[in-house]
Amino acid sequence: GAVVSQHPSRVICKSGTSVKIECRSLDFQATTMFWYRQFPKQSLMLMATSNEGSKATYEQGVEKDKFLINHASLTLSTLTVTSAHPEDSSFYICSARDDLETQYFGPGTRLLVL
Amino acid sequence: EDQVTQSPEALRLQEGESSSLNCSYTVSGLRGLFWYRQDPGKGPEFLFTLYSAGEEKEKERLKATLTKKESFLHITAPKPEDSATYLCAVQSALNDYKLSFGAGTTVTVRA
Repeated sequence: GAVVSQHPSRVICKSGTSVKIECRSLDFQATTMFWYRQFPKQSLMLMATSNEGSKATYEQGVEKDKFLINHASLTLSTLTVTSAHPEDSSFYICSARDDLETQYFGPGTRLLVL
Repeated sequence: EDQVTQSPEALRLQEGESSSLNCSYTVSGLRGLFWYRQDPGKGPEFLFTLYSAGEEKEKERLKATLTKKESFLHITAPKPEDSATYLCAVQSALNDYKLSFGAGTTVTVRA
């Protein structure tokens, strides 16, 4: 099956700093990638849709200036959490969509903001 | 608005005890229904896509079926390694092919 990687897998940072998370599709090209957030014992919540070469589309209630998304190539999308605060602590998961419209997910990034 | 409801919320099985998980959905312009498996602290792992009522797909001890209103994931003779949270999601052509997820069913299989 298709493989999607994320880096880092875990990050701890101080309040006010920015954190960048990378999402890569390793064996296929993805015009579209997605970023999700998951709270403990809850399902995935879509944050934004990332399209290669164009601006990301954010879901209602998600601050685009806080969660910066860049999709510079067909295999890489990045999510930057700017000026992170403790309430931003969560599990962030990306997915990449293949030509058959199937989303393959990365392993996730656990963010802890102190 | 697309709605996906999974039941039960949790399922505890003895090894070898077959059971089924339910996913009820309401969606305009269903393009596909997806099943994923998620282990604790990991991202979801793709299992199946079902596109039309009557379709069935199998993978090892798992079998997914689809009707016009719901999907079932049957687990036959489960093993402890089948313990995970199983997520159902629908994809609509009218919603830019985004996925709408259910809350999941957490399956625990005891040896």
